[in-house]
Amino acid sequence: GDSVTQMEGPVTLSEEAFLTINCTYTATGYPSLFWYVQYPGEGLQLLLKATKADDKGSNKGFEATYRKETTSFHLEKGSVQVSDSAVYFCALSQIIQGAQKLVFGQGTRLTINP
Amino acid sequence: DVKVTQSSRYLVKRTGEKVFLECVQDMDHENMFWYRQDPGLGLRLIYFSYDVKMKEKGDIPEGYSVSREKKERFSLILESASTNQTSMYLCATTLTSGVITDTQYFGPGTRLTVL
Repeated sequence: GDSVTQMEGPVTLSEEAFLTINCTYTATGYPSLFWYVQYPGEGLQLLLKATKADDKGSNKGFEATYRKETTSFHLEKGSVQVSDSAVYFCALSQIIQGAQKLVFGQGTRLTINP
Repeated sequence: DVKVTQSSRYLVKRTGEKVFLECVQDMDHENMFWYRQDPGLGLRLIYFSYDVKMKEKGDIPEGYSVSREKKERFSLILESASTNQTSMYLCATTLTSGVITDTQYFGPGTRLTVL
């Protein structure tokens, strides 16, 4: 079945460092791809998404490009802040029994030190 | 803004108790979902519903049931709680059915401990 694999965490960086969180997927058909973020004590919220090959999703300085040839959707940010500390989930979307179903990676915990 | 609320943030129950987790959304969304979140496993889908009184099993439905009597409310029921159901439970909604690009909106989660 479809699956998503993220780089294992936790990841600890200093403020203003460059961030990459790797995500690869296995899917039949043409899924949409998402990054969700979970701040401490909260539910998940959408960070960005891309719906077709070569699309780039971006939000809050984060970017990810849908690479069909490498089945990847890596998350990047040029200069992280302490407020970016959170758990990040990569996910793909498929339609099952007429409803959208998300398949999540295991999550990557990111800690940014001042 | 979409608001998804869950009845409790923290819950402690005993083995064998019947447990109800409730989720309410205020934006007339069609689809509602229940996930459990465990470290190293990400989120796994328990059940979802695409309409009132309709439900479909997700990937891990064993030991759970659901109820959707009104469009805005989706309940997760643990008929006889067990310690391996200790987890964080997250409710989510999407506006429409069958749209692969839809954003899911999540509640804050209920951390359930079964003793």
